[in-house]
Amino acid sequence: AQKVTQAQTEISVVEKEDVTLDCVYETRDTTYYLFWYKQPPSGELVFLIRRNSFDEQNEISGRYSWNFQKSTSSFNFTITASQVVDSAVYFCALSEHSYGGSQGNLIFGKGTKLSVKP
Amino acid sequence: GAVVSQHPSRVICKSGTSVKIECRSLDFQATTMFWYRQFPKQSLMLMATSNEGSKATYEQGVEKDKFLINHASLTLSTLTVTSAHPEDSSFYICSAKAQGVPYGYTFGSGTRLTVV
Repeated sequence: AQKVTQAQTEISVVEKEDVTLDCVYETRDTTYYLFWYKQPPSGELVFLIRRNSFDEQNEISGRYSWNFQKSTSSFNFTITASQVVDSAVYFCALSEHSYGGSQGNLIFGKGTKLSVKP
Repeated sequence: GAVVSQHPSRVICKSGTSVKIECRSLDFQATTMFWYRQFPKQSLMLMATSNEGSKATYEQGVEKDKFLINHASLTLSTLTVTSAHPEDSSFYICSAKAQGVPYGYTFGSGTRLTVV
């Protein structure tokens, strides 16, 4: 069965610190997609990244970087030099490739609440 | 980019009444719509999946007679919470799949429902 685990429920850091949010997933499928979303207090989901199972290259986007390791089924997210505006709940999610090519739903982890203090 | 407009953003209703939530894809055709529910400080849980023109598929434990989903067109899907009760108070959010965009999910901005 597919599952996403975000073991860190809450993290608190001081501005300018680096912080890594962990994500471990389980799936039997060889083709799948992994996502990270940010959910600020207003509630909307902000898409951050999508990575397919065949692309293990790490990605960097400004202060954000992602480390995808299939060997450990992990897709960790690092924020460098954190800012107060980074305070939010971050969700890791998994989508499997369903039979016939139809898109499955997203399976979310429980989320990690990040608080960045000035 | 693809946008899903979700309304209302907030609604307060009396216990026993019904509430309709709309999700409209503005610049693409949504062949599939996923409806999620999120209780405070919890994750998003899939309630149902609807494909245009067919009946929705509900997840285990979700009452299909209570949460009516209509996906009559490629640009509009609605979720109606019938005979709402305080325990239905939650954040409801839709997610549309764009036709021809593999693994592209576009989320609405969510509806915060409070039943009093």
